[in-house]
Amino acid sequence: DTGVSQDPRHKITKRGQNVTFRCDPISEHNRLYWYRQTLGQGPEFLTYFQNEAQLEKSRLLSDRFSAERPKGSFSTLEIQRTEQGDSAMYLCASSPPPSGRADEQFFGPGTRLTVL
Amino acid sequence: AQTVTQSQPEMSVQEAETVTLSCTYDTSESDYYLFWYKQPPSRQMILVIRQEAYKQQNATENRFSVNFQKAAKSFSLKISDSQLGDAAMYFCAYRSGYGGSQGNLIFGKGTKLSVKP
Repeated sequence: DTGVSQDPRHKITKRGQNVTFRCDPISEHNRLYWYRQTLGQGPEFLTYFQNEAQLEKSRLLSDRFSAERPKGSFSTLEIQRTEQGDSAMYLCASSPPPSGRADEQFFGPGTRLTVL
Repeated sequence: AQTVTQSQPEMSVQEAETVTLSCTYDTSESDYYLFWYKQPPSRQMILVIRQEAYKQQNATENRFSVNFQKAAKSFSLKISDSQLGDAAMYFCAYRSGYGGSQGNLIFGKGTKLSVKP
């Protein structure tokens, strides 16, 4: 299967701990997005990479959050000093270079974070 | 800023019947794209249908079609011949079409669709 994969699928941590999530996009996709989805809400944009460059960060992404995409391949999202409010599903999506049309974003299965 | 509103938190349809999910959006841009995504329980989000704002013709994909009313900023999804597998959360999403935009999606809160056998 060559879809978007995310690891881990579930993470339970204690408040104050650091966590890191990984996303492997579809190989030929140069654009990568992170979204956060809380219960009963639609996904909210967190950050965007084009190749290895992080080109946009949402105001939702506090200083405790950091994301990387070394070599323009997989991406990691780290949350430091987790808080209970960080509990959510973290979704990764990738898409090919823009074609000037309604390019589809392909989503991974998500990482569900629970902060106790 | 652009916003997407889905006013129906939950909808229900009888198997084989037709259901319409509503979506309205607010934008001052003239170039944009609209999407409907489906998120089945515990499964990943998949694209159902997409529409370019510059196209007047409504998009169709098999049993799924949209009613795109640009002036009214409305983008509803019609599911014909509903099947049990259509049960899911449906999200309406907006993306700016302007060059240089990062292309992130702006989602509504979703509509939970149940299909009764």
